[in-house]
Amino acid sequence: KAGVTQTPRYLIKTRGQQVTLSCSPISGHRSVSWYQQTPGQGLQFLFEYFSETQRNKGNFPGRFSGRQFSNSRSEMNVSTLELGDSALYLCASSQRADIQYFGAGTRLSVL
Amino acid sequence: QKEVEQNSGPLSVPEGAIASLNCTYSDRGSQSFFWYRQYSGKSPELIMFIYSNGDKEDGRFTAQLNKASQYVSLLIRDSQPSDSATYLCAVRGRNYGGSQGNLIFGKGTKLSVKP
Repeated sequence: KAGVTQTPRYLIKTRGQQVTLSCSPISGHRSVSWYQQTPGQGLQFLFEYFSETQRNKGNFPGRFSGRQFSNSRSEMNVSTLELGDSALYLCASSQRADIQYFGAGTRLSVL
Repeated sequence: QKEVEQNSGPLSVPEGAIASLNCTYSDRGSQSFFWYRQYSGKSPELIMFIYSNGDKEDGRFTAQLNKASQYVSLLIRDSQPSDSATYLCAVRGRNYGGSQGNLIFGKGTKLSVKP
């Protein structure tokens, strides 16, 4: 069974631009969660989607948004990029509500 | 503010020894507890999960949970150099709106196993 697939793996953007990251969960998994990982703050929860509905949201500004499609694939969008948005963005999928499996991540660099 | 605390390390142990990693959490309503391993430059990989008080063993790994003390630990027996990584503790609490809360991660403990 294929794992969680995140695309692209690497991105370089400049301040003020926007970016869209994609996540395809493990087949049969309906829940997708997004996290931001930085050396200083560690892994921080962004949001969780289940059956196309946002179920939980972390403490991030409205520039961070997401959505989930009927096939459970998910996208997250960051608008008006700031230097501090440089991070590893991780997607995790789960079948049961709480056992999450991570993708390889998208490393975003904002210049 | 719900928090998960871990000693950042580095924790250095000789090959073959037992490595003991500890984690405390602030939310008494927490329901599920997880340990992930993250190699440098890689994504977190699930090692263990535990829901009930006591010990849970899986191969060389043992997770221990004490809800009264709000404490969860991971023991790695017969440590190998390949165990050198950052170990992340994660806790899922109850979302007081009724659904399950999100996972809250500690910042991780870096383990180094010396040959």
